[in-house]
Amino acid sequence: AQSVAQPEDQVNVAEGNPLTVKCTYSVSGNPYLFWYVQYPNRGLQFLLKYITGDNLVKGSYGFEAEFNKSQTSFHLKKPSALVSDSALYFCAVNGNTGGFKTIFGAGTRLFVKA
Amino acid sequence: DGGITQSPKYLFRKEGQNVTLSCEQNLNHDAMYWYRQDPGQGLRLIYYSQIVNDFQKGDIAEGYSVSREKKESFPLTVTSAQKNPTAFYLCASEIPGTGNTIYFGEGSWLTVV
Repeated sequence: AQSVAQPEDQVNVAEGNPLTVKCTYSVSGNPYLFWYVQYPNRGLQFLLKYITGDNLVKGSYGFEAEFNKSQTSFHLKKPSALVSDSALYFCAVNGNTGGFKTIFGAGTRLFVKA
Repeated sequence: DGGITQSPKYLFRKEGQNVTLSCEQNLNHDAMYWYRQDPGQGLRLIYYSQIVNDFQKGDIAEGYSVSREKKESFPLTVTSAQKNPTAFYLCASEIPGTGNTIYFGEGSWLTVV
């Protein structure tokens, strides 16, 4: 069975500092990995995804994520955090097993302090 | 513009009432989903549909019902059998298949009064 874990409920970072939001996954076969962001009382917005190819994926709003197959991780990163990046971030996985259901992590709340 | 429209944004339900949340998409996606999100929590799948006239239970289907009579529409009914319905409900859609991006509506808040 496929699963995804976000080990941190909350991440705090000062504005201008680099940020990392962690995600690990378990899936048989090649994984398809996603990051979504949710602002208060809104739906989820797609940030980026890894399908194949370069392990470093660039996405919206200056975010990027690195796929690490040996560590089964897909951490979200940004070189310089903004206060406006404060939101709830979800990692998701869709395994290449013939099924189509995407599994979401529990979410990590990011607080960026001015 | 293409997208997913959920209505209403806020809905109040009395005890014993059924209520229906609307979800319409003009993205021409075959697959549609309903998720429930409780405050500070992740997403839990209620129902999903891959094609018209077909739908499957997700992880927490009890107390909910859906229909998929048209490709564009996937309404969710929260029945009186759902004992704790207060939550944020998210509708989503995608082109079926692995590796495709899921698109979400703006969500609907349901509160029991």
